[in-house]
Amino acid sequence: AQSVTQPDIHITVSEGASLELRCNYSYGATPYLFWYVQSPGQGLQLLLKYFSGDTLVQGIKGFEAEFKRSQSSFNLRKPSVHWSDAAEYFCAVGAGSSASKIIFGSGTRLSIRP
Amino acid sequence: GAVVSQHPSWVICKSGTSVKIECRSLDFQATTMFWYRQFPKQSLMLMATSNEGSKATYEQGVEKDKFLINHASLTLSTLTVTSAHPEDSSFYICSARDPSLAFFGQGTRLTVV
Repeated sequence: AQSVTQPDIHITVSEGASLELRCNYSYGATPYLFWYVQSPGQGLQLLLKYFSGDTLVQGIKGFEAEFKRSQSSFNLRKPSVHWSDAAEYFCAVGAGSSASKIIFGSGTRLSIRP
Repeated sequence: GAVVSQHPSWVICKSGTSVKIECRSLDFQATTMFWYRQFPKQSLMLMATSNEGSKATYEQGVEKDKFLINHASLTLSTLTVTSAHPEDSSFYICSARDPSLAFFGQGTRLTVV
């Protein structure tokens, strides 16, 4: 069965510092992978996605993620975080027909230290 | 990008009543929509797959008689929480897919008092 693991429940980084959020997936075939961000009480915003091709994908707000098949990972990175990046981040894998069914990881809450 | 709209964005209801949440794909047709539930500080858990013109497919542990799903048209799916109880209070989010990507609604905050 498909699953996603985000090992870090909560991360705090200083504003301007670099960020890496970890994500590992379990999926039998080539996965469709996503990172979403959720601000408190809000819906989900797609940061980036990987379907195929270049394993380093660029997203919105300066985020990027690298698909590493050998490690079953899809870690999210940003070189310099801003206070507005504080939110909950979800890694997800697309399952089912055309990857319509999205299976989410448990999420990582990002706090920014001034 | 495509837009998925949920209504209402929040609702408060009395215990024992039923609440209907609508999910609409505004600029594309969706034969399949998905309903998720999110408890505070937790992840989104898939509840069911809504199929246009047929019965919904429920995930293990989700009571189909409690969470009624109707997908009457290619742009509308509804989730009805029947005989709501305080433990049903949660954030409910739907998603629908256009040919390229799944899009999420803005969510509905349900509070049962």
